[in-house]
Amino acid sequence: NAGVMQNPRHLVRRRGQEARLRCSPMKGHSHVYWYRQLPEEGLKFMVYLQKENIIDESGMPKERFSAEFPKEGPSILRIQQVVRGDSAAYFCASSLDRDNEQYFGPGTRLTVT
Amino acid sequence: KNQVEQSPQSLIILEGKNCTLQCNYTVSPFSNLRWYKQDTGRGPVSLTIMTFSENTKSNGRYTATLDADTKQSSLHITASQLSDSASYICVVRFPGGSYIPTFGRGTSLIVHP
Repeated sequence: NAGVMQNPRHLVRRRGQEARLRCSPMKGHSHVYWYRQLPEEGLKFMVYLQKENIIDESGMPKERFSAEFPKEGPSILRIQQVVRGDSAAYFCASSLDRDNEQYFGPGTRLTVT
Repeated sequence: KNQVEQSPQSLIILEGKNCTLQCNYTVSPFSNLRWYKQDTGRGPVSLTIMTFSENTKSNGRYTATLDADTKQSSLHITASQLSDSASYICVVRFPGGSYIPTFGRGTSLIVHP
């Protein structure tokens, strides 16, 4: 039973490029959460999605960031025109429903040069 | 405001020794409180979960306790091993319909041989 999968594990982008981060939830999980972790900081909630719907995006910057969780395929966190401040580890978690435990993926480390 | 504060920020101990990590929260009661272990470069993994009515919960050498009067939880690690070196994160799910938990910044534990 595979856990939450994220790819790529490491991503390097130049300023101004786009970054696409993918998350495949655990089998049977339809709830996905994205978090950002800056160096020496705690995990910060960004967005919560359920299949094809954004439930809560209160933690996601209004500009340049978007997320989707299509009916088929992984959830995607997209960052347009990346800046150095976007460099961080981005974690995805999934759960069976909103009240159950969130299981985390290994994260994608984004470096913006 | 729902907040979770952890102490100490970092801790260094010798292999075989015990240690205790602290977590203070501001809002009571809560839905549940989890302790996660995050190895370097990996996603967090749940160690224990406690509801508001529980005082203690064990998972092998890890024991979490809860003092509702002082709004404090502790994670006690006995007979530490080198593999315990990690960040330990306290996560509280507050009531009021909030499905997004609040993460502490974590305590970085280093176990030396």
